[in-house]
Parts: sequence; structure tokens; C-alpha cells
Amino acid sequence: EAGVAQSPRYKIIEKRQSVAFWCNPISGHATLYWYQQILGQGPKLLIQFQNNGVVDDSQLPKDRFSAERLKGVDSTLKIQPAKLEDSAVYLCASSLTTSGADTQYFGPGTRLTVL
Amino acid sequence: DAKTTQPNSMESNEEEPVHLPCNHSTISGTDYIHWYRQLPSQGPEYVIHGLTSNVNNRMASLAIAEDRKSSTLILHRATLRDAAVYYCILRASHGSGNTGKLIFGQGTTLQVKP
Repeated sequence: EAGVAQSPRYKIIEKRQSVAFWCNPISGHATLYWYQQILGQGPKLLIQFQNNGVVDDSQLPKDRFSAERLKGVDSTLKIQPAKLEDSAVYLCASSLTTSGADTQYFGPGTRLTVL
Repeated sequence: DAKTTQPNSMESNEEEPVHLPCNHSTISGTDYIHWYRQLPSQGPEYVIHGLTSNVNNRMASLAIAEDRKSSTLILHRATLRDAAVYYCILRASHGSGNTGKLIFGQGTTLQVKP
């Protein structure tokens, strides 16, 4: 079974530039999550989709971050314009359901460096 | 969301058992106890989960206290590949306002010495 795919793996940009990350979840997984992990901290949820609808985006800085999941499969996360504090690893995860007993599967992440 | 408390770091010798503790005194009756680990430069990976009874799988065992206010992840024979950050996370069961998100703390950094 193929895992969660993410690209690019690494990205270096200057502040005020824009950047986009792509995620392809495990086939058949209805729920997709984007997490931000700052160095030395645990991942923090940015946004969660159930099929192509947003379930939770309470921690998403909506003035600069946006995300979409067209057709309920792939997803993109965009930052525009980027700030220095956005330097982090962006992790995508997917699961079959939102059940407390269900497992989330994570991709390898995209490491963003903002100069 | 219920919180968990874990030691910041632990050390183990290779091929010895490792017991990673987690306190969750505010756990509710429908919260599942999940453990994930994150190897260097990788995304987190699922290790094990349980509700009330002890659980075993090919990676580890999970021992849950009778009052469910604490749990212990047991790696039976640590290898160098087990060096990682281990996260203990509580997840509400489906249908109780749960969105399924994982709330990560700082986790326990496990070092395995050869």
C-alpha cells in the first residue's frame, strides 16, 4: 500500500515570497490533515478536511495561509506572503475516519526555510 | 482536550527493554491512548493504541493502569533504530465532538546506546 506522498521535500524561499505544498493521501482515506512542526516542538494541526470540506481550521493563519482539497483527494497548502516564523516542517497525514481508534498515516513532510 | 505528561528524555541500552511512561490524569472514559513516534527527519508513525486493556503488537506493548490515569509503552528489546521522539496522545472517541486531530506534546526523546 502506497503511503502519503508529499512534495517538494525541501523548499528555500525569501520572506514575502509565496510557496505551495502538495499532498496525496492514501487511497480511500476521507480525512486529510496538515500539521506544522517547528524545530524542537511537536506537530500542530493547521487544517483538517473531511472529503473536500473543512472540518477544523482554527489554528490556520488565514491572512497568509490557505488550503484546498479539490475532489476530496489531493490537497495543496499555500503560504502567501511567507514570514521568517513560517520556517518549519509541514506534514500531511490521512486517515480512513475520524474515529478515536483510527490511525493517522503521515507523509515525510516538506521542510520550509524562509530567509 | 485532555493533556498528557511525559519525561523529556530517556536513555536505554541496546537489546534491553524500555518502559516509556505517560501520565494522563484528566482522561475521560471514552478517550483512546495512542502512541506515535518520530524518527529523525521523518513524519510521525503510529506505534500502538488502547482503550482499557493492555495491548500488544509487533512493535511494542501498551500497559494501561487500572484507573487509566497513566500508561506505559514497552519496547521489549530496544535497537538503535528505536531512537526517536515518542508521543503519548489522547483521542476522543468518534461522536463525542471529536474531529480526529492529534494534539502532540513535547514527547520523550529516547536515546539508545550500543
